[in-house]
Amino acid sequence: AQSVTQPDIHITVSEGASLELRCNYSYGATPYLFWYVQSPGQGLQLLLKYFSGDTLVQGIKGFEAEFKRSQSSFNLRKPSVHWSDAAEYFCAVGPIYGGSQGNLIFGKGTKLSVKP
Amino acid sequence: EPEVTQTPSHQVTQMGQEVILRCVPISNHLYFYWYRQILGQKVEFLVSFYNNEISEKSEIFDDQFSVERPDGSNFTLKIRSTKLEDSAMYFCASSEGTGGASTEAFFGQGTRLTVV
Repeated sequence: AQSVTQPDIHITVSEGASLELRCNYSYGATPYLFWYVQSPGQGLQLLLKYFSGDTLVQGIKGFEAEFKRSQSSFNLRKPSVHWSDAAEYFCAVGPIYGGSQGNLIFGKGTKLSVKP
Repeated sequence: EPEVTQTPSHQVTQMGQEVILRCVPISNHLYFYWYRQILGQKVEFLVSFYNNEISEKSEIFDDQFSVERPDGSNFTLKIRSTKLEDSAMYFCASSEGTGGASTEAFFGQGTRLTVV
């Protein structure tokens, strides 16, 4: 069955430090992978996506993610975190055909706090 | 840039009342979705809609829920008799399709529903 796991519920980093948020998935083929960010009280904004090609993808706000097929992972990284990056981050996988899960499956999210 | 818009941003309703959440998907998109996020939990799929009918629905989407595209632009979610556990952020999303690059879903800002 398809699934997405974000093992870290909450991460705190200092401003200026590097960041890596983990995402592992279970999927029968090569998935399409997404990272969304949700600021408090806001909607879901797409940070980046992987469909095919270069396994290192660049997104908005200085984020990047690397697709590693052998590890079934799509970890999100940023070399230097800013206070405005404090938010919740969701990894998602698709397309999901049939069943009742919709087109995307989301992980449970990782909440990022940034220390000054 | 085209975007999905949702109204209202926040709705408070009494238990047992009917609510209608409204969405305007991106105009050239063909697939529409409703997701919900109970506070502190992951984003969950409710229903997808294509060609004026439900294409998939989750087990959450029971007889209390219905969706409609009453005109060429709006997409609505109706909850007939709200329960306390319906309190959540409801996200509308749309996509061009369901395969390939069309998998990318564009999300609205959400409607926070509070049932009292």
